[in-house]
Amino acid sequence: GAVVSQHPSWVICKSGTSVKIECRSLDFQATTMFWYRQFPKQSLMLMATSNEGSKATYEQGVEKDKFLINHASLTLSTLTVTSAHPEDSSFYICSAGLAAYNEQFFGPGTRLTVL
Amino acid sequence: KQEVTQIPAALSVPEGENLVLNCSFTDSAIYNLQWFRQDPGKGLTSLLLIQSSQREQTSGRLNASLDKSSGRSTLYIAASQPGDSATYLCAVSGTASKLTFGTGTRLQVTL
Repeated sequence: GAVVSQHPSWVICKSGTSVKIECRSLDFQATTMFWYRQFPKQSLMLMATSNEGSKATYEQGVEKDKFLINHASLTLSTLTVTSAHPEDSSFYICSAGLAAYNEQFFGPGTRLTVL
Repeated sequence: KQEVTQIPAALSVPEGENLVLNCSFTDSAIYNLQWFRQDPGKGLTSLLLIQSSQREQTSGRLNASLDKSSGRSTLYIAASQPGDSATYLCAVSGTASKLTFGTGTRLQVTL
């Protein structure tokens, strides 16, 4: 149980385009979903926390107008990178949380390359 | 602000050796601590989760300890195998279930 999927697993896009990444909890309803970014050979950095039906809470330094997060249901959250630039190239990982267990379950990640 | 540090940053050992990875955190007010494994270009695999009230957790050849008051955790890997080669991350859970990740230890187990 507690499986989280992400789609797509990798994406290559041109500079200036927008890219949407989906995160789904497959066999449970997640009270909270988290989005992380990981640059090569670095650790994961939390970008934002989202709860179903409410606005996401962004970490300091993360542009909310650039990284749009929608959490429409208890099993789906989306991250849209708007007007992507090469410096946005990174590995994006989502996780879904179960409040009762204070534990997060991670998706397999999405590799974004902006040309 | 919570900061998590892992030592060493990289480690290479011959197959069969026992090894210890270290994790330290600056704010002892945590709910739990997790150890993860990450293979190159892949997501995270949860290895062990220790609640703040616990001292250690074991799973197979892995044993993780937690000393919350001193802000330290160790991951012990017994009889290492080449398949254990990966990056190991520790993460602590604070308020609002947020995880703060450590810098990671890249482990290479050689034949």
